[in-house]
Amino acid sequence: AQSVTQLGSHVSVSEGALVLLRCNYSSSVPPYLFWYVQYPNQGLQLLLKYTSAATLVKGINGFEAEFKKSETSFHLTKPSAHMSDAAEYFCAVSNQAGTALIFGKGTTLSVSS
Amino acid sequence: NAGVTQTPKFQVLKTGQSMTLQCAQDMNHNSMYWYRQDPGMGLRLIYYSASEGTTDKGEVPNGYNVSRLNKREFSLRLESAAPSQTSVYFCASSAEGPRTGELFFGEGSRLTVL
Repeated sequence: AQSVTQLGSHVSVSEGALVLLRCNYSSSVPPYLFWYVQYPNQGLQLLLKYTSAATLVKGINGFEAEFKKSETSFHLTKPSAHMSDAAEYFCAVSNQAGTALIFGKGTTLSVSS
Repeated sequence: NAGVTQTPKFQVLKTGQSMTLQCAQDMNHNSMYWYRQDPGMGLRLIYYSASEGTTDKGEVPNGYNVSRLNKREFSLRLESAAPSQTSVYFCASSAEGPRTGELFFGEGSRLTVL
């Protein structure tokens, strides 16, 4: 069965520091992987997606993620954190039939000045 | 641009009461979804509809029913609400299946069951 595990429910960084949010996946078929962001009291919005075209995926707001098959990982990074990046981030994988997304439990990112 | 609209945004129920959460999208999307979000649990899929006229169970369907009324609308019904159904409910839609398509989310419906 498809699943994702997000390592660390809460990550704190200083403004300007590297952001690294970890996601490992389990999939019985070639995975389609996604990162979504949720700002307070809002729905989720897509940051980026991996659909096998390229292993390094660039998303919105300076975020990127690298698909590593050997490590079954899809970690999200941003070189320099901004206060506006404070939010909850979700990793997700497409289910086997490709009909729905399975989400991880989320990682809350805090950014301090 | 309305996108995905959910009603109501807030609701308080007593145990045993019933209610329907409404969702409508104006993007002509084929697929629609209902998720619930609970602290520390992420989003869990309740039901989804890959196309008009079809519905399928997700991870946590017990206690819920859905109706894909037409291509635009996908409602979620709680027949006999329980405190365990206190949650934030999100409706989402996508043009194709999510494997290549992007899910667009509503702003959520906060439900409290006393």
